[in-house]
Amino acid sequence: GQQLNQSPQSMFIQEGEDVSMNCTSSSIFNTWLWYKQDPGEGPVLLIALYKAGELTSNGRLTAQFGITRKDSFLNISASIPSDVGIYFCAGPQNTGNQFYFGTGTSLTVIP
Amino acid sequence: ETGVTQSPTHLIKTRGQQVTLRCSSQSGHNTVSWYQQALGQGPQFIFQYYREEENGRGNFPPRFSGLQFPNYSSELNVNALELDDSALYLCASSLGWGPTEAFFGQGTRLTVV
Repeated sequence: GQQLNQSPQSMFIQEGEDVSMNCTSSSIFNTWLWYKQDPGEGPVLLIALYKAGELTSNGRLTAQFGITRKDSFLNISASIPSDVGIYFCAGPQNTGNQFYFGTGTSLTVIP
Repeated sequence: ETGVTQSPTHLIKTRGQQVTLRCSSQSGHNTVSWYQQALGQGPQFIFQYYREEENGRGNFPPRFSGLQFPNYSSELNVNALELDDSALYLCASSLGWGPTEAFFGQGTRLTVV
């Protein structure tokens, strides 16, 4: 199946710092979703990207397609302790609402 | 809160047994997808139900089966449980079968011993 690779695998940052992570695939996606997952919980949708070239924001989070549309980026500004968790990217499989998920980026925020 | 609820939250079963997991989709959503998430990995797609019919399946054996009911709630059934079936099972609901936003429940943690 499709492989989505996320980098970095893990990040340790100081509270207040900005964060940037990315996700790459071997295929072009027309939709990207970014999720955050806390331990033992289901993923929570952060941002949905439908239009290449546009920056989509949700509070301190921004995301966009990469130039090739085989990648996507998520940025978090002024990180806070509750940003701790695992961030997953997801792209659609075939033409249905079936998503491939990335390998995840684990974020730790040090107060 | 997504409005997607799953039950039970935790379950312990013995190898060879059968298990049924349940999911209530978000109000207004007619599509339910099931995912398996092993520890330390991203969710893996099992199958999707759209308007009570299976609408796509991932690389899972036939002993993984499902149902969707007229109220769009759904069940995931796993027969002949194996130790490797131990995972967090996630249900996601969405409107329509296209690549739109999917909202997840809190998951069911299944442990097979």
